[in-house]
Amino acid sequence: NAGVTQTPKFQVLKTGQSMTLQCAQDMNHNSMYWYRQDPGMGLRLIYYSASEGTTDKGEVPNGYNVSRLNKREFSLRLESAAPSQTSVYFCASSEFGWGGGEQYFGPGTRLTVT
Amino acid sequence: GQQLNQSPQSMFIQEGEDVSMNCTSSSIFNTWLWYKQDPGEGPVLLIALYKAGELTSNGRLTAQFGITRKDSFLNISASIPSDVGIYFCAGHLEYGNKLVFGAGTILRVKS
Repeated sequence: NAGVTQTPKFQVLKTGQSMTLQCAQDMNHNSMYWYRQDPGMGLRLIYYSASEGTTDKGEVPNGYNVSRLNKREFSLRLESAAPSQTSVYFCASSEFGWGGGEQYFGPGTRLTVT
Repeated sequence: GQQLNQSPQSMFIQEGEDVSMNCTSSSIFNTWLWYKQDPGEGPVLLIALYKAGELTSNGRLTAQFGITRKDSFLNISASIPSDVGIYFCAGHLEYGNKLVFGAGTILRVKS
């Protein structure tokens, strides 16, 4: 059972380039999330999808877009990368949406923007 | 901004010692989750707590949901080198729809 998978594992971009981070889960979970992790900041929510067909902004959505492609897949797009977006990005999923429920994380994508 | 205060920020311990860390808040939580993150990996769920006063164990790990619903504690007994990593608390607020994370406790073991 793979759980939550993310691709790529590492990426280096130049300022202004675009890219899409991919995430898939095989646990039949309804809700999916994108977080970024920066030193000393903990995990901050970028966007989430409570259920297939819905997406909402989290704490730090600026500069990002998301697509809930189907129940399994949730992608994060950087349209014009900036050095401030250098971070580690984690995708997570949970069976239920808000108010409770355990979130399970993928292995992360380490992104550097030069 | 952060609504959870996690302490200590980091700690060195001697192998075999017991470890305690905690998360506190001025807000009330419905759920507490404890995660461990190894270097270069994603957070892994260790323990989930759903009721005030609940005490739950997972091997050498024990966590408690504070009776005020504003805090939670994680204890690790008889630490070993593989306990090294970052431990995060997280909670669902009573009123709100996000999982709030603490900043993490970095655990380093002196072998």
